[in-house]
Amino acid sequence: AQSVTQLDSQVPVFEEAPVELRCNYSSSVSVYLFWYVQYPNQGLQLLLKYLSGSTLVKGINGFEAEFNKSQTSFHLRKPSVHISDTAEYFCAVTRPGGATNKLIFGTGTLLAVQP
Amino acid sequence: GAVVSQHPSWVICKSGTSVKIECRSLDFQATTMFWYRQFPKQSLMLMATSNEGSKATYEQGVEKDKFLINHASLTLSTLTVTSAHPEDSSFYICSANSLAGGPNGELFFGEGSRLTVL
Repeated sequence: AQSVTQLDSQVPVFEEAPVELRCNYSSSVSVYLFWYVQYPNQGLQLLLKYLSGSTLVKGINGFEAEFNKSQTSFHLRKPSVHISDTAEYFCAVTRPGGATNKLIFGTGTLLAVQP
Repeated sequence: GAVVSQHPSWVICKSGTSVKIECRSLDFQATTMFWYRQFPKQSLMLMATSNEGSKATYEQGVEKDKFLINHASLTLSTLTVTSAHPEDSSFYICSANSLAGGPNGELFFGEGSRLTVL
């Protein structure tokens, strides 16, 4: 079975500063990894995903993440955040090979951008 | 991208009543839909996997008689919370995997439905 750990429940950061949201996963098989963003009272929007190939993945809104197999990590980064980036961010993992495979979510990290 | 719509977006009901939440894939077909539950400031917990034309697969600890799931077509899945109680109050989110997405299956999420049971 797969699992995801997001160690930081909340990350406060000033506007225009860089940010990293940490995600570690556990799996005995290869995985697909995802980052989702959730704005208040809304569903989830996909930021980026790693399926295979280049370990550095670029997503929407200037975010990127790097897949590190040896450290079983998939940390999310942005070089300069905006107030509008304030939201809950979820890391998720699934097993490749099937449309019915479940997506397992981490507990989420609240990114709080302050002016 | 593909659109998944949930209805209603919010509902308030009295304890003991049943509430139905619909999840529709608007511009694609989905053989599989997933229902999640999210408590305030917590992550999404998978409740069940809904397969078109067959019975849903429930996660451990989820009462199937309490949370009835029907996936009657490739574009519609419904979640019915039967005899709702205040502890059922939560944010319910559905997601669907596009057939065209193949095994890499990106999941598309609905906007969520907030249920408040008084």
